[in-house]
Amino acid sequence: EPEVTQTPSHQVTQMGQEVILRCVPISNHLYFYWYRQILGQKVEFLVSFYNNEISEKSEIFDDQFSVERPDGSNFTLKIRSTKLEDSAMYFCASGLTSVLGELFFGEGSRLTVL
Amino acid sequence: RKEVEQDPGPFNVPEGATVAFNCTYSNSASQSFFWYRQDCRKEPKLLMSVYSSGNEDGRFTAQLNRASQYISLLIRDSKLSDSATYLCVSRMDSSYKLIFGSGTRLLVRP
Repeated sequence: EPEVTQTPSHQVTQMGQEVILRCVPISNHLYFYWYRQILGQKVEFLVSFYNNEISEKSEIFDDQFSVERPDGSNFTLKIRSTKLEDSAMYFCASGLTSVLGELFFGEGSRLTVL
Repeated sequence: RKEVEQDPGPFNVPEGATVAFNCTYSNSASQSFFWYRQDCRKEPKLLMSVYSSGNEDGRFTAQLNRASQYISLLIRDSKLSDSATYLCVSRMDSSYKLIFGSGTRLLVRP
């Protein structure tokens, strides 16, 4: 069964450092997303990406964050200068269409900022 | 007010029991609704979409009441493997994003 894969599964970083989280979406999917979940809290939308550009972003997704799909395969989330409050599980997701609600999530990348 | 609100639980039920979860949403522009399941420290997985007429998938039945802005999930004949957090999710037609509730935790005991 096709799946969304994410690396790394866990990253520990110092405050102020840059972090890149990587995702390989399901190959025939066209819509890509990043969500995050702070421990004990709900899943929150960060950004959606379609046709090589951001289609929607939340207020959380400020200038500190960026996404790109450099090679048509990987989909990355970059956090430029990490803060303590960026510590969370970051989920990549992909979907075949924007209409259906069926998103396929990766297993997540746990980011710990010290 | 939270966009999608759920009772956090936990609901602690014996195997074989029937259990129902409720969810309310605040934005009447919300058009699509879903139930996702999340196991501890795992990713969310789609359980089922929720249609206006109500829909059933095996032991699971979902209902939507647009007038009351209320969604429900009924699980019949609970299994131990149903133990998880159930996430109520909405989406507006004009938006790409899914809006998640905080989830309702279900524990099914032997």
